[in-house]
Amino acid sequence: EVQLVESGGGLVQPGESLRLSCAASGLTFSAYWMAWVRQAPGKRPQWVASIKQDGSERHYVASVEGRFTISRDNARNSLYLQMNSLRAEDTAVYYCARAGLQDQLLCHIWGQGTLVTVSS
Amino acid sequence: DIQMTQSPSTLSASVGDRVTITCRASQSINSWLAWYQQRPGKAPKLLIHKISNLENGVPSRFSGSGSGTEFTLTISSLQPDDFATYYCQQYSSYSPYTFGQGTKLEIK
Repeated sequence: EVQLVESGGGLVQPGESLRLSCAASGLTFSAYWMAWVRQAPGKRPQWVASIKQDGSERHYVASVEGRFTISRDNARNSLYLQMNSLRAEDTAVYYCARAGLQDQLLCHIWGQGTLVTVSS
Repeated sequence: DIQMTQSPSTLSASVGDRVTITCRASQSINSWLAWYQQRPGKAPKLLIHKISNLENGVPSRFSGSGSGTEFTLTISSLQPDDFATYYCQQYSSYSPYTFGQGTKLEIK
């Protein structure tokens, strides 16, 4: 069974940093694009970032460009999201998602999510 | 940026009803359209990709159709498990608005 388990969420103040992790199991992690998708309370999901199988290509939504960094460790079957200079509008549940072999934005499998709250 | 607009925002229906949700893209997305189901407190679940292809394990009462900029999700006979929020998603290009705003399917 494929599992994606996120961790690292919590309450932080504006301007602080947080690093999210996603542990994958039950799949050939290195074969797939991976993505982070977030969902603010009562809002639609919003794609945040995607990373290619070997990490050579990364894409970000404009609102996080320069503040967030997506990375992966295929040896550890793990995906990461380093979030710096956090803002109140970054408050959301952050989901790790397994995308396709070529469909970078099509999220076939999702984790259970981890809540990030940015508030003073 | 491609914008995705769903209608209606809320839909009230009864078990056994046939329901249809519409999704419109602000420009052509060819066949790169997916539908997700989300239950309260849970992650979205991919139901359909490439307009009409059901994911493994998704009941056949779900179907998708459309082309270009207008797409529909149809549930042929509503079951109790189907009352949830449904999102369309374009995956043709990066955009902050890949997902529609959602349609909440409620019990009448």
